[in-house]
Amino acid sequence: GENVEQHPSTLSVQEGDSAVIKCTYSDSASNYFPWYKQELGKRPQLIIDIRSNVGEKKDQRIAVTLNKTAKHFSLHITETQPEDSAVYFCAAYGDTGRRALTFGSGTRLQVQP
Amino acid sequence: DAGVIQSPRHEVTEMGQEVTLRCKPISGHNSLFWYRQTMMRGLELLIYFNNNVPIDDSGMPEDRFSAKMPNASFSTLKIQPSEPRDSAVYFCASSRDGMNTEAFFGQGTRLTVV
Repeated sequence: GENVEQHPSTLSVQEGDSAVIKCTYSDSASNYFPWYKQELGKRPQLIIDIRSNVGEKKDQRIAVTLNKTAKHFSLHITETQPEDSAVYFCAAYGDTGRRALTFGSGTRLQVQP
Repeated sequence: DAGVIQSPRHEVTEMGQEVTLRCKPISGHNSLFWYRQTMMRGLELLIYFNNNVPIDDSGMPEDRFSAKMPNASFSTLKIQPSEPRDSAVYFCASSRDGMNTEAFFGQGTRLTVV
């Protein structure tokens, strides 16, 4: 089945700096890649997603890039703010095999004011 | 819409007892998922329903776990008998259509089995 690796597990940046979180996936048939943000004690919420027919997608300070050949995708947050502090999860979904959304292990982002 | 509604928010039970978690998905969503979140294993998909029919239950840990979706607006996850290792946060989520559309998560049920 699908295996999603996420790095780093923790990331600390200064307010205003950029943060990058990287994920790799194993199933070349995967075609949907969402990113979820989970604040402490809260539910995961979708912040951005990308499908395999595009290489990049941007929404204000957040962008996601996808490299299908290398089977990796990344989340980029620019001009970080303290409210960006949370755990971020990447995920991958494919139409073959188990056909389940597989999550990465999460990255705890801490933005220092 | 109020979003995905789960109950109870917190549950503390003794080992061996039956536990039932409840979920009301967003109206109009045809897919429902139960996830379990722990520090050790992260977010794990337990079971996935589409149009009230279980599509994939391969993530259900063992026969002590069962899930039902009797109609489009209600689902339950039951653990019988419960064990301390079942302690986790259980999330229900729903989506408009399948796993490749945005999943909306409920607030979760924090289960503690002592």
